[in-house]
Amino acid sequence: DIQMTQSPSSVSASVGDRVTITCRASQGISSRLAWYQQKLGKAPKLLIYAASSLQTGVPSRFSGSGSGTDFTLTISSLQPEDFATYYCQQSNGFPWTFGQGTKVEVK
Amino acid sequence: QVQLVESGGGVVQPGRSLRLSCAASGFTFKNYGMQWVRQAPGKGLEWVAVISYDGTAKIYADSVKGRFTISRDSSKNTLYLQMNSLRPEDTAVYYCAKERVARTSPDFDYWGQGALVTVSS
Repeated sequence: DIQMTQSPSSVSASVGDRVTITCRASQGISSRLAWYQQKLGKAPKLLIYAASSLQTGVPSRFSGSGSGTDFTLTISSLQPEDFATYYCQQSNGFPWTFGQGTKVEVK
Repeated sequence: QVQLVESGGGVVQPGRSLRLSCAASGFTFKNYGMQWVRQAPGKGLEWVAVISYDGTAKIYADSVKGRFTISRDSSKNTLYLQMNSLRPEDTAVYYCAKERVARTSPDFDYWGQGALVTVSS
């Protein structure tokens, strides 16, 4: 199975901060990576697909980059509604796997 | 607008069965692949199963293979997850989700609200 490792597991940040989350795959997955945001008690929300494509309706402060084994999700200027947990998911090979999540908390 | 509504969750004893349903509306259900993802209490997301738009391809996580069956009924616009031989570790909120682009994309843009399954004696 392809293991997805996110870092950090949690990050404390303030409104306006730039936040970067990393996702590393245990083997190359091309660009078959998506990023999801999940707020407490809610369903996940698709932010980024194909590693760097912004999902319709998602603010442009979110961006994704990377290919192969190393990927990054960046929030350029953190907003109050962005405090949540973020997950990466690979779809290059079955079983599809998620990272363990990164919680973005209020500093 | 796209809506996915799960039902069928509840409390069940270990070894018993349960069937989840996901009623879809607002899009042409028969054209889209669908998946199930679960989340144990306080834990991260775990992919469970995916089914192709026409139901001919079904893939499962190892943790549920042989016990769970994903299926769909396009006449009813409904996705199912039949869960047999349930174990305490299957306790989770189960989400259904729709693929973003018909018949092609491995990412999922609409999700249901989730159905809680609790396996306990």
